[in-house]
Amino acid sequence: NFMLTQPHSVSESPGKTVTISCTRSSGSIASNYVHWFQQRPGSSPTTVIYEDYQRPSGVPDRFSGSIDSSSNSASLTISGLKTEDEADYYCQSYDSINVFGGGTKLTVL
Amino acid sequence: QVQLQESGPGLVKPSETLSLTCTVSGGSISTSYWSWIRQPPGKGLEWIGYIYYSGSANYNPSLKSRVTISVDTSKNQFSLKVSSVTAADTAVYYCARGSREWLLDYWGQGTLVTVSS
Repeated sequence: NFMLTQPHSVSESPGKTVTISCTRSSGSIASNYVHWFQQRPGSSPTTVIYEDYQRPSGVPDRFSGSIDSSSNSASLTISGLKTEDEADYYCQSYDSINVFGGGTKLTVL
Repeated sequence: QVQLQESGPGLVKPSETLSLTCTVSGGSISTSYWSWIRQPPGKGLEWIGYIYYSGSANYNPSLKSRVTISVDTSKNQFSLKVSSVTAADTAVYYCARGSREWLLDYWGQGTLVTVSS
């Protein structure tokens, strides 16, 4: 099976834009949907992007998802950063089994 | 709005079997895919497996030899068993629903299971 690799941590200032990458180790990133979860300390994960770029109702349009076949990676972009966006973010994809990325800790400072 | 609630012992002895139940409310279990995911303290998420309401299951190959997921449609519940546990199985265990195999759209609050003598 494949792995999904994320940066361990990223940091940015309020109001700025940050992008978190998720690189697939084998097979095409475009072959299976990629989803993104936000997890705040002590809470369950919640979906911020599903099926590559779809936003669930209630998730602000500051959150967007994309796929780049040339780098075999998916990206989560958060614009207009707020301190409440500080959390761990996980990508996930399914190819016979569900696979999670290792998670990225976003610090907004 | 579908809600999920995990229940079961918070402490399990090494070599014994971990057993958890997820109770579904606000919707029928007789549809969708029902997953278990775990998260060791301070670490990332690991998908354990799912069961379809019909009873067919799919497991993470890394855990397949020790894991069984079952469903009880009469009680609107599904369950997880992990055998021969070690300290490495200490984690917060989440149950989740997916309307498709690739989705995890509703999650329970999670329950911490510690493996220790």
